[in-house]
Amino acid sequence: EVQLVESGGGLVQPGGSLRLSCTASGFTFSNSEMNWVRQAPGKGLEWISYISRSSSTIYYADSVKGRFTIFRDNAENSLYLQMNSLGAEDTAVYYCARGVSGGWEIDFWGQGTLVSVSS
Amino acid sequence: DVVMTQSPLSLPVTLGQPASISCRSSQSLVYSDGNTYLTWFHQRPGQSPRRLIYKVSNRDSGVPDRFSGSGSGTDFTLRISRVEAEDVGVYYCMQGTHWPPGFTFGPGTKVDIK
Repeated sequence: EVQLVESGGGLVQPGGSLRLSCTASGFTFSNSEMNWVRQAPGKGLEWISYISRSSSTIYYADSVKGRFTIFRDNAENSLYLQMNSLGAEDTAVYYCARGVSGGWEIDFWGQGTLVSVSS
Repeated sequence: DVVMTQSPLSLPVTLGQPASISCRSSQSLVYSDGNTYLTWFHQRPGQSPRRLIYKVSNRDSGVPDRFSGSGSGTDFTLRISRVEAEDVGVYYCMQGTHWPPGFTFGPGTKVDIK
């Protein structure tokens, strides 16, 4: 059974940092592109970052470029998102999502972890 | 950048009746490999999204056959032949053809029971 389990969310002050983790199981993690997608409270879905299987290709949405860093550890079946300079606009549930079809599609999502940025 | 729109944004439905959601993209979603990377997701309240349809019309394993997807180019439709209570929630279309900037989602269509 495919599983993606996010962790690391919580309450952080504006300007602070947080690192999210996503642990994968039930599939060959090193063969899958991965993404982070977020959803602000009561809002829609926003893709924020992509990483290829070998970490050779990385993309970010403009909204997080320069502040967030995606990386992965294939030996640990884990995906990460380092978030710096957080602002209120970053308050959201953060999902890790598996890419398929060479990265052009998403097929499976984790349950999400909530990040709240507030003083 | 490609923009995805959906209509309607709110869809009250009657149990057992059909429902239809439209998704439009600002650019053609046909990729150079001939595929069209248009995906539909369903998100129930308090849950993460679940994929229903990929590449316009391919239903995922376990998805009831009352769900169907169609369309081409820039215009796409998700249809539910007979709405059931478990179908409530928000439906999102997503494009994966244009990279960068990356995946782009429609604003979502909220389906609830009349």
